[in-house]
Amino acid sequence: QKEVEQNSGPLSVPEGAIASLNCTYSDRGSQSFFWYRQYSGKSPELIMSIYSNGDKEDGRFTAQLNKASQYVSLLIRDSQPSDSATYLCAAESGGSYIPTFGRGTSLIVHP
Amino acid sequence: DADVTQTPRNRITKTGKRIMLECSQTKGHDRMYWYRQDPGLGLRLIYYSFDVKDINKGEISDGYSVSRQAQAKFSLSLESAIPNQTALYFCATSGRQGKEQFFGPGTRLTVL
Repeated sequence: QKEVEQNSGPLSVPEGAIASLNCTYSDRGSQSFFWYRQYSGKSPELIMSIYSNGDKEDGRFTAQLNKASQYVSLLIRDSQPSDSATYLCAAESGGSYIPTFGRGTSLIVHP
Repeated sequence: DADVTQTPRNRITKTGKRIMLECSQTKGHDRMYWYRQDPGLGLRLIYYSFDVKDINKGEISDGYSVSRQAQAKFSLSLESAIPNQTALYFCATSGRQGKEQFFGPGTRLTVL
């Protein structure tokens, strides 16, 4: 069974710090990886996708992928209280268009 | 205007009632999905459809049925609601060119 594992948290960081969110996946056939942000009671919102090993940067967000270690991470630089949310990691096996979601990591950014 | 809409946004019903949740999208996407989310359990796939004539069960389809009325519309029905179907339900879409999913605002369903 395909699994995506995330530490449920909460991860608490001070404002302005770097928040590091981690995710591991079990299916070596996974080729596409996504990070979604979900505020309490709201719907998930895509913030990053990554398909190749290495880093991908978008503003304050950097996604990192290591397929050999089956590991995906999301770094949030200069964390703001508005970044406080649950972050969902998802992995999709090539061609299926059915992502497997992790249960999410709760991030709290305190002033 | 929202690209993916869901109606109703909130619903309280009683055990045994039939409930329909509706999803519409203006993104022109072929793929549509229904998920439920429970605290601590993450998103679980109920049904998905890759085009109007294609309907597939997800990991937790028992007690649910769906209808893909058009490319833009995908409805989820609970034939006889039970309390453990109380959850937050999301519709999502993805397009032909990408694998990212775009979620509707969700329906909070309570079954008493």
